[in-house]
Amino acid sequence: IAGITQAPTSQILAAGRRMTLRCTQDMRHNAMYWYRQDLGLGLRLIHYSNTAGTTGKGEVPDGYSVSRANTDDFPLTLASAVPSQTSVYFCASSDSHGAGDTQYFGPGTRLTVL
Amino acid sequence: AQSVSQHNHHVILSEAASLELGCNYSYGGTVNLFWYVQYPGQHLQLLLKYFSGDPLVKGIKGFEAEFIKSKFSFNLRKPSVQWSDTAEYFCAVISYTGGFKTIFGAGTRLFVKA
Repeated sequence: IAGITQAPTSQILAAGRRMTLRCTQDMRHNAMYWYRQDLGLGLRLIHYSNTAGTTGKGEVPDGYSVSRANTDDFPLTLASAVPSQTSVYFCASSDSHGAGDTQYFGPGTRLTVL
Repeated sequence: AQSVSQHNHHVILSEAASLELGCNYSYGGTVNLFWYVQYPGQHLQLLLKYFSGDPLVKGIKGFEAEFIKSKFSFNLRKPSVQWSDTAEYFCAVISYTGGFKTIFGAGTRLFVKA
């Protein structure tokens, strides 16, 4: 059972470039999430999706976009990367969008924007 | 603004010592509370969660946490730590009141000396 996979594992990107971080889950979970983790700030929610075809904004959505064309995939796109987007990005999923549901996390993508 | 505060950023303990990691949140609505752990080189995973009922919650690996509503606290405890408990611990609050919110604390790095 793979759970959640993220790609790439790490990436160095020039400022201004477009980048898509991939996230795939094989648990048939309805809800998916994208977080960024920064030292001293913990995890901050970027975007989420309750179910395929719907998305919502989290705490820090600016500069990021997401899509949820199907249940399994939830890509995160940086249209024009900036150095402040240097971070570790985690994708997560949960069975439903209930507040009590456990979120399962992927291994993360370490992104450096120069 | 809603927030989750973890009082200790770094904790160093010897094996068999008792552990208590503080977590306080500022949020007036109905909350669900979580502790997640990230072992070195591994994904974030759930330790325990509270959403209703008995405020003393028991999780995996001998961890427990107590929800004290009047103090807005959800402290994590373990009576006797092991070297394998070395990890980073995150407290999180998830709520639907006033819109979906998921807020993580900054994390506490625990190092257990063998």
